[in-house]
Amino acid sequence: NAGVTQTPKFQVLKTGQSMTLQCAQDMNHEYMSWYRQDPGMGLRLIHYSVGAGITDQGEVPNGYNVSRSTTEDFPLRLLSAAPSQTSVYFCASVGAGGGYTFGSGTRLTVV
Amino acid sequence: DQQVKQNSPSLSVQEGRISILNCDYTNSMFDYFLWYKKYPAEGPTFLISISSIKDKNEDGRFTVFLNKSAKHLSLHIVPSQPGDSAVYFCAADFGNEKLTFGTGTRLTIIP
Repeated sequence: NAGVTQTPKFQVLKTGQSMTLQCAQDMNHEYMSWYRQDPGMGLRLIHYSVGAGITDQGEVPNGYNVSRSTTEDFPLRLLSAAPSQTSVYFCASVGAGGGYTFGSGTRLTVV
Repeated sequence: DQQVKQNSPSLSVQEGRISILNCDYTNSMFDYFLWYKKYPAEGPTFLISISSIKDKNEDGRFTVFLNKSAKHLSLHIVPSQPGDSAVYFCAADFGNEKLTFGTGTRLTIIP
């Protein structure tokens, strides 16, 4: 059982390019979220979803879009990448009782 | 405005001794607290949690203490082992499944 799968693991983008970070879970969890981890900043919430068709903004949503067409998938889109979006991105899904399962992360560099 | 703070970015402890990681929070509405452990190139994994109605929770070598009046929690690891070397994040929750993370403490266990 895979848990939370994130792809790609690494990505280098040029400023202005767009891309989608994929996240899929096979645990039938309703709640999913995206965090970014930066040195000295901990993990900060970008966007979250409480179920298919429902998304909302977290602490640092600017420059990112999300959608949730299925329970399993929660992609994160960067519309026009900026160097400030260089970070490690983690997707998480939350089961009953509030237990978080994180993916292994996507390390993104924007040059 | 960092609502959850880990003021020690790093900590080194001799193998076999006690490791104490500290975390402070500012929002008295938080009612659930968690500790996550993160190895390089992996996502955070859940370690231990505590509800605000308790002041202590124990799980094997790991104990979390909560002092609500001081808005302070700590994680004790005893005895410390080399495999405990990782970054530890504390996190807090309002009960709405949106975790607020601290900035992390890198624990190094010295053999």
